[in-house]
Amino acid sequence: NAGVTQTPKFQVLKTGQSMTLQCAQDMNHEYMSWYRQDPGMGLRLIHYSVGAGITDQGEVPNGYNVSRSTTEDFPLRLLSAAPSQTSVYFCASSYYSGGANTGELFFGEGSRLTVL
Amino acid sequence: GENVEQHPSTLSVQEGDSAVIKCTYSDSASNYFPWYKQELGKRPQLIIDIRSNVGEKKDQRIAVTLNKTAKHFSLHITETQPEDSAVYFCAGRGDSGGSNYKLTFGKGTLLTVNP
Repeated sequence: NAGVTQTPKFQVLKTGQSMTLQCAQDMNHEYMSWYRQDPGMGLRLIHYSVGAGITDQGEVPNGYNVSRSTTEDFPLRLLSAAPSQTSVYFCASSYYSGGANTGELFFGEGSRLTVL
Repeated sequence: GENVEQHPSTLSVQEGDSAVIKCTYSDSASNYFPWYKQELGKRPQLIIDIRSNVGEKKDQRIAVTLNKTAKHFSLHITETQPEDSAVYFCAGRGDSGGSNYKLTFGKGTLLTVNP
């Protein structure tokens, strides 16, 4: 199994450009999420989804857009990149049952984005 | 929403010593507390978790304790080895679904085990 796959692994953008970070999982997980990781700030939730057609905002959603048209894919769009969005982005997925499942979060390898 | 505080931010120990990392949480409805380990340049991976109906859980050299009354939980690593060197994140989450399903992370602890 591939698990959670993110592309690209590295990207350099200029201020104002837009781009999409791709995330796909092959574990049939209902829950998918995007985090950004900055030094000293831990992992902060950007957006998340509990199933196809359902998305919601996390802690730091401004400047990002998501959609969930299939169970497998959860792309993250940067609408107009800013230097403050320079970060490492992680996609993560888990089962979503609200019950006995542990809900272990499986992370992708990360995407390092630099905005000049 | 949930707020998770983690201490210390850095921890340096000698090989063979024990390491303890502590976290507090704000939402009394949270009932699932995982710990993730992130090695340099790698993705975070779950190492142990605990639910609120359990006070302690062990897995070989690592253990987690939970005090629901005080709203804090801790990670204990015994007989530390150089390969334990990594950033450790605690997290908290409710299980009632919807917005309560979000996992909120602490800021992380950089553990260095000196040979």
